[in-house]
Amino acid sequence: NAGVTQTPKFQVLKTGQSMTLQCAQDMNHEYMSWYRQDPGMGLRLIHYSVGAGITDQGEVPNGYNVSRSTTEDFPLRLLSAAPSQTSVYFCASRASGTLTGELFFGEGSRLTVL
Amino acid sequence: DQQVKQNSPSLSVQEGRISILNCDYTNSMFDYFLWYKKYPAEGPTFLISISSIKDKNEDGRFTVFLNKSAKHLSLHIVPSQPGDSAVYFCAAPGDSGGGADGLTFGKGTHLIIQP
Repeated sequence: NAGVTQTPKFQVLKTGQSMTLQCAQDMNHEYMSWYRQDPGMGLRLIHYSVGAGITDQGEVPNGYNVSRSTTEDFPLRLLSAAPSQTSVYFCASRASGTLTGELFFGEGSRLTVL
Repeated sequence: DQQVKQNSPSLSVQEGRISILNCDYTNSMFDYFLWYKKYPAEGPTFLISISSIKDKNEDGRFTVFLNKSAKHLSLHIVPSQPGDSAVYFCAAPGDSGGGADGLTFGKGTHLIIQP
C-alpha cells in the first residue's frame, strides 16, 4: 500500500519563487492536512480539508494556499517563497467521522528557501 | 500558548532499562491523547493512544499513563531497545489554532537508547 505520497522529497527555492508540494493518498480518507516541522517547534498545522471542495486554515496558514478538487489529492502552494518557509513539510490523512482517528503521514518534503 | 508540552528535548536510556517520556497539557477539553514516533527522514507513525476515560493503556512494551487531575501523561517503554531511538511526539485532537480541526503536537522528545 502506498498510503500517503509526497513529492518532491527535497526542493531548493530562491526567495520569491513559487512552487507546489504534492500530496496524494490512496486510502479514501476524507480528512487531509499539511503540517510543518521546525527545530524545537514540533509539528504545526498549516491547512486542512475535511473533504473535496472544503479547506480551512490551521495554526500557521500565512504564505500558503491549498485546494482540494479530489478526495485523493491535497496540494500545498507557496506563492512567493520566503526564507521563513524553510522547513520540513508533512502531509497527513485520516478517516472521517472522528477526531480520535489516527493520522497517517507521508515521508515529508524538505524545502530550503535561499 | 502551547497547549501540549514536552519539556525534555532529549532523553538517554540504557538498553534494557525503562524509558519514561513525559507530556503535560493545559487544555482541559482534551479527551484523547496520542503518541507518535518519528525516525529521521521519515514521517511520524502512530504508536499508542489513550482516552480520558482510562488512566492506562498498554500495547506490548509500550504503556501510556494518564493523570487527568495533573493534566499529565507519560509513555513507558520497557525494556528499551536500540530500535526505540527516535523522536516521540505527544498529541491531542482539538483546537490546533483558531478552532482548526487537527492534532496539537508537543515539541517532541528525542529518545536515545545507549547499548
